[in-house]
Amino acid sequence: GEDVEQSLFLSVREGDSSVINCTYTDSSSTYLYWYKQEPGAGLQLLTYIFSNMDMKQDQRLTVLLNKKDKHLSLRIADTQTGDSAIYFCAESLTGKLIFGQGTTLQVKP
Amino acid sequence: NAGVTQTPKFQVLKTGQSMTLQCAQDMNHEYMSWYRQDPGMGLRLIHYSVGAGITDQGEVPNGYNVSRSTTEDFPLRLLSAAPSQTSVYFCASSYSMRRFSYEQYFGPGTRLTVT
Repeated sequence: GEDVEQSLFLSVREGDSSVINCTYTDSSSTYLYWYKQEPGAGLQLLTYIFSNMDMKQDQRLTVLLNKKDKHLSLRIADTQTGDSAIYFCAESLTGKLIFGQGTTLQVKP
Repeated sequence: NAGVTQTPKFQVLKTGQSMTLQCAQDMNHEYMSWYRQDPGMGLRLIHYSVGAGITDQGEVPNGYNVSRSTTEDFPLRLLSAAPSQTSVYFCASSYSMRRFSYEQYFGPGTRLTVT
């Protein structure tokens, strides 16, 4: 079945690294995504990784993919207060996106 | 480009009323979809469309209808509103489903309350 799981809350101090984790169930997913939702807004694509990759780095963001364990993580280096938001991982299945519940990241000054 | 626009931003309905949530995109995207967002449940797919004249059901279609008469517009109809439909509704679009784009563009959302 299709299921994407995330922890619901993460709190870090400004300047620390944040790691948000996600597990998914369908090994046929072609792309895996991280979206960011700021308060009162829609979702914006942060980054994505193709299923044949293990890692992708994009400035402060690092995505790690462990296909064997179906585990995806998003690391944010030097976390800033502006990074406070809800982060959703999602997998693509024949063009549909299946989202996790979202992880609320709280950044304390 | 305006991107994906949704109207209204907020709506309060009484149980049993019907209404249409509007969604439009000006990016010539083939693929459009509707999601609902509820606390602790992420986004769940209601209906989607791979092109004008073609629609299909998502994960939670009951109580909702859609149509896609043009590439630009994808309205979502609530036939007889129920309190369980209180939610935030997001419309999204992407370039293609055949060559699935890695980016779906989301509208700002419609916050619906059914009393």
